[in-house]
Amino acid sequence: EVQLVESGGGLVQPGGSLRLSCAASGFTLSAYWMHWVRQAPGKGLVWVSRINSDGTTIRYADSVKGRFTISRDNAKNTLYVQMNSLRAEDTAVYYCARVPVGVGISDYWGQGTLVTVSS
Amino acid sequence: QPVLTQSSSASASLGSSVKLTCTLSGGHSNSIIAWHQQPPGKAPRYLMKVEGSGNYKKGSGVPDRFSGSSSGADCYLTISDLQSEDEADYYCETWDSNIQVFGTGTKVTVL
Repeated sequence: EVQLVESGGGLVQPGGSLRLSCAASGFTLSAYWMHWVRQAPGKGLVWVSRINSDGTTIRYADSVKGRFTISRDNAKNTLYVQMNSLRAEDTAVYYCARVPVGVGISDYWGQGTLVTVSS
Repeated sequence: QPVLTQSSSASASLGSSVKLTCTLSGGHSNSIIAWHQQPPGKAPRYLMKVEGSGNYKKGSGVPDRFSGSSSGADCYLTISDLQSEDEADYYCETWDSNIQVFGTGTKVTVL
């Protein structure tokens, strides 16, 4: 059974940092691209970042470029996002999602982890 | 870059059908659009992908009541025999080499 489990969310002050993890099981992580997608309270889904299978091609939304860093450890079956210089508008539930290579769209989602940026 | 437009809400009676529209505009996309369902307070769930040809392929466990189609720039999700558990937000998604795009979502209410 495919499972994606996010962790690492919590309360952080503006300007602070947080690293989220997404543990994958039930499939071979190295065969898939991965996304981070976020959802602010009461709002829609917003794409954050994408990483290809071996980590050599990475894309970011303009809103997080220069502040967030996506990475992956295929040996540990884990996806990460390092979030620095956090702002109130980064407050959201963060989801990781699996992306079949060449298809480009998300076919499995994690349950999400809440990040709250507040003083 | 691609932009996906969805109407904000739709409603239909229990047991009837509802057809949601997702319209692609802007830059080139890879002609594959996905539909996702998000019940209140839950994570999104992948429903299906729809190709530019109109062919669609559903995810594992998605009921037969859900179907997809497309025509030109419009992609459709049809829910037949609407059930109470179908009350949710529905998002479309597409991508290109530089960006991933989600529609703004359609809230479906079952009357």
